Amino acid sequence: QKEVEQNSGPLSVPEGAIASLNCTYSDRGSQSFFWYRQYSGKSPELIMSIYSNGDKEDGRFTAQLNKASQYVSLLIRDSQPSDSATYLCAVPRGGFQKLVFGTGTRLLVSP
Amino acid sequence: GAGVSQTPSNKVTEKGKYVELRCDPISGHTALYWYRQSLGQGPEFLIYFQGTGAADDSGLPNDRFFAVRPEGSVSTLKIQRTERGDSAVYLCASSLNAARGNTIYFGEGSWLTVV
Repeated sequence: QKEVEQNSGPLSVPEGAIASLNCTYSDRGSQSFFWYRQYSGKSPELIMSIYSNGDKEDGRFTAQLNKASQYVSLLIRDSQPSDSATYLCAVPRGGFQKLVFGTGTRLLVSP
Repeated sequence: GAGVSQTPSNKVTEKGKYVELRCDPISGHTALYWYRQSLGQGPEFLIYFQGTGAADDSGLPNDRFFAVRPEGSVSTLKIQRTERGDSAVYLCASSLNAARGNTIYFGEGSWLTVV
């Protein structure tokens, strides 16, 4: 089992819809979770972090964490074509410094 | 500079050659990281520096890879006897320090192609 698993996609949604991206992790002791956005040919950019069970909202983005089920999700409301990118889930291993990334989910938002 | 700066942005080298990749972190950031990203994969941790010392080099794939940060700022990733399998984007990142809650900022990467 991979430490961090994501569906590679692509996930296609129409403009204005809600995009739901999911991630599961294997280390039950994980305490921090991160979502990065990566445009093609560009570097990853942190968009959300979550540490506690439940929801965390930031603008159109909501991160959801369920430690009992070992999954973390990212919801993007009112999806825009500019949201088209690969979304990477990351979990620290052995401290806060070493991030383990999933393979990423490619999101395509069509106008 | 405003962000993490990496040079060169692109490097094509022949199999067996030596390569150096440079990273200039955000000013004031004491923690510096190197990751490697292959096509269709997420970034893979290589090494992490806190100040001048390599605090964790467990991700370096073998002894052909080495990294230094002699003055606690700029870092160089060195790859000896390059192999075609080394072709990837090498991402450098930095953060204020390694404590929880500090955002890790990535540079644009050095695209290495070994032919």
